[in-house]
Amino acid sequence: AQRVTQPEKLLSVFKGAPVELKCNYSYSGSPELFWYVQYSRQRLQLLLRHISRESIKGFTADLNKGETSFHLKKPFAQEEDSAMYYCALSGIGFQKLVFGTGTRLLVSP
Amino acid sequence: KAGVTQTPRYLIKTRGQQVTLSCSPISGHRSVSWYQQTPGQGLQFLFEYFSETQRNKGNFPGRFSGRQFSNSRSEMNVSTLELGDSALYLCASTATGADSYEQYFGPGTRLTVT
Repeated sequence: AQRVTQPEKLLSVFKGAPVELKCNYSYSGSPELFWYVQYSRQRLQLLLRHISRESIKGFTADLNKGETSFHLKKPFAQEEDSAMYYCALSGIGFQKLVFGTGTRLLVSP
Repeated sequence: KAGVTQTPRYLIKTRGQQVTLSCSPISGHRSVSWYQQTPGQGLQFLFEYFSETQRNKGNFPGRFSGRQFSNSRSEMNVSTLELGDSALYLCASTATGADSYEQYFGPGTRLTVT
């Protein structure tokens, strides 16, 4: 069965602190992993994809197949990072996304 | 390019009624996926259409159905509404191409069933 687990509903940090949003997955095969973000009053949008290995807005995520994890990290959080973050996976084709329950990141000044 | 649009944005229906939601994808996108978002279950995949054909389907009862038109616009229909169908319904479109992976989401339709 395909499953994505985000154990934290809320993560609250101060500006400048490191951030790690946890994501674990279950998938029998080679999944595609994504992080989607929803800022206040905006649409859900793609933040990054594991295969691109890019840093987007200072965020990175490494796929660890041994631990079946895809944690999202940022060394220094900014107030504008406050948002809802969803980890998602898909199989071949990308159109069917399985989402985690999301983690709300709150960055305080 | 204009983004994904969904109509109506808000809807209130009574148990037992049916409802139709509409989604217009980004111009040139031929794949449309639908998701249901609730506080209890989060974001769940309903189905996906490509070139007027349903390609993928989630684990929802047959009361949930959809279709896609030749201009790629999509509709989803929920018949015999139940209180538990109250949710935000999101659609997303994806470009055509082997490596087109990004889903572009609409603002959603908020359905309330009373």
